[in-house]
Amino acid sequence: DGGITQSPKYLFRKEGQNVTLSCEQNLNHDAMYWYRQDPGQGLRLIYYSQIVNDFQKGDIAEGYSVSREKKESFPLTVTSAQKNPTAFYLCASIGGWNTGELFFGEGSRLTVL
Amino acid sequence: SQQGEEDPQALSIQEGENATMNCSYKTSINNLQWYRQNSGRGLVHLILIRSNEREKHSGRLRVTLDTSKKSSSLLITASRAADTASYFCASPFLSGTYKYIFGTGTRLKVLA
Repeated sequence: DGGITQSPKYLFRKEGQNVTLSCEQNLNHDAMYWYRQDPGQGLRLIYYSQIVNDFQKGDIAEGYSVSREKKESFPLTVTSAQKNPTAFYLCASIGGWNTGELFFGEGSRLTVL
Repeated sequence: SQQGEEDPQALSIQEGENATMNCSYKTSINNLQWYRQNSGRGLVHLILIRSNEREKHSGRLRVTLDTSKKSSSLLITASRAADTASYFCASPFLSGTYKYIFGTGTRLKVLA
C-alpha cells in the first residue's frame, strides 16, 4: 500500500547530540513537509520541499536541517542548536499544491534527556 | 505564524449531539481543508473546500466557507465516542503555493 513511513517512532537523545529522523514515501508525491507538534498544540512548519534538490524554510527552521536528494525521501536532522527539541515530529507529502490532501506519517516522538 | 485559529480550543459533548468548530484564517486562499488527529497519531484528511464553494458535505461532516469573513466551520452531526480527536484546519499560506499552514486545533471529546 502507498503511504508515508517515519522512523524511528520513539527516539531519545542526550543534549548536544544531532539526530536524524527518516521520512520515506511511495506515493510519487512531489512535495514533502516536516511539522513539529508540542503537547496540546497545533502543527508548526519546519521545512518543506516542492521538488528534489530544493527546500524552503518554514516558520521554525532554526536548529533543523533537511535534504531532498531523492523524491521518496526527506530526512530531518535535529541539531544541537535546537534549544528545545523534545516534541512530536510529523512528516507529510502532497501530490500538487491544489490537490488538497496532505498524507501524514505516524510521527516520531523525540525526547531529549 | 499560524494561518488558522480554531475555536473553541476544546469541546466536550454527549454522544448523539452535534459538534461545531470554527476556523479563521489570515490570507487569501484557494482551498481550505480539515484534518483529524487521534492522540499520538498522524493526521488524516477529512474534507477539502475550494474558495468558490460555500458548503460541502461528506457523510456526517458538513463544512462551510465564508471567504469574506475568512472563516470556515466544521459540523459533525450525531457524534460518536469514536469522533473523539483533535481537529485542525489547514490551507496554503498563499494561494498557489505549497506552504501549508495549520491552525491551532480543537480538541473534541465525545462522552458515551
